[in-house]
Amino acid sequence: EAGVAQSPRYKIIEKRQSVAFWCNPISGHATLYWYQQILGQGPKLLIQFQNNGVVDDSQLPKDRFSAERLKGVDSTLKIQPAKLEDSAVYLCASSLEGTGKAFFGQGTRLTVV
Amino acid sequence: GNSVTQMEGPVTLSEEAFLTINCTYTATGYPSLFWYVQYPGEGLQLLLKATKADDKGSNKGFEATYRKETTSFHLEKGSVQVSDSAVYFCALQNQAGTALIFGKGTTLSVSS
Repeated sequence: EAGVAQSPRYKIIEKRQSVAFWCNPISGHATLYWYQQILGQGPKLLIQFQNNGVVDDSQLPKDRFSAERLKGVDSTLKIQPAKLEDSAVYLCASSLEGTGKAFFGQGTRLTVV
Repeated sequence: GNSVTQMEGPVTLSEEAFLTINCTYTATGYPSLFWYVQYPGEGLQLLLKATKADDKGSNKGFEATYRKETTSFHLEKGSVQVSDSAVYFCALQNQAGTALIFGKGTTLSVSS
């Protein structure tokens, strides 16, 4: 079974630039999550999708972050403009509806300089 | 609010030593509890879970028991191996369909 695919693996940008991350979840998984993991901390939820609808985006900094999940499959997360404190690993995960067993991608490590 | 607190790391052990990583939680209702593991260079993966009080989750020699009276879900293994070196995350799901809430993670380093 193919896992959750994310790209790119690494990204370095200057502050105030924009960046986008892509995620392809496991086939058939209705639920998709984006997490932010700052060094030394646990993953923190940014947004949760159920199919192509948003379930929870209460912790998404909407002035600079946006996410979409077209056709209920792939998803993109965008940051515009980036700040130094956005340096983190961005994790995408997917799960079958209603379960706590989430499958994670390897993440995208973002460095903002 | 809902939260998870894990013991600070790193935890450094010799091979075959006994492992305990403490985890306590704060939640409304009756959450499900999880341990996830992240091996070097790999993504997070589920290690074990328990969905109700007194349940014991187990996998790969690791165990954790859901203790509602102490709001704890401590991870244990009787004899660790070098290959167990990883970062371990305790997590909760407050109700079905909601996202996982993670602790800060505990780094385990096992030497031969």
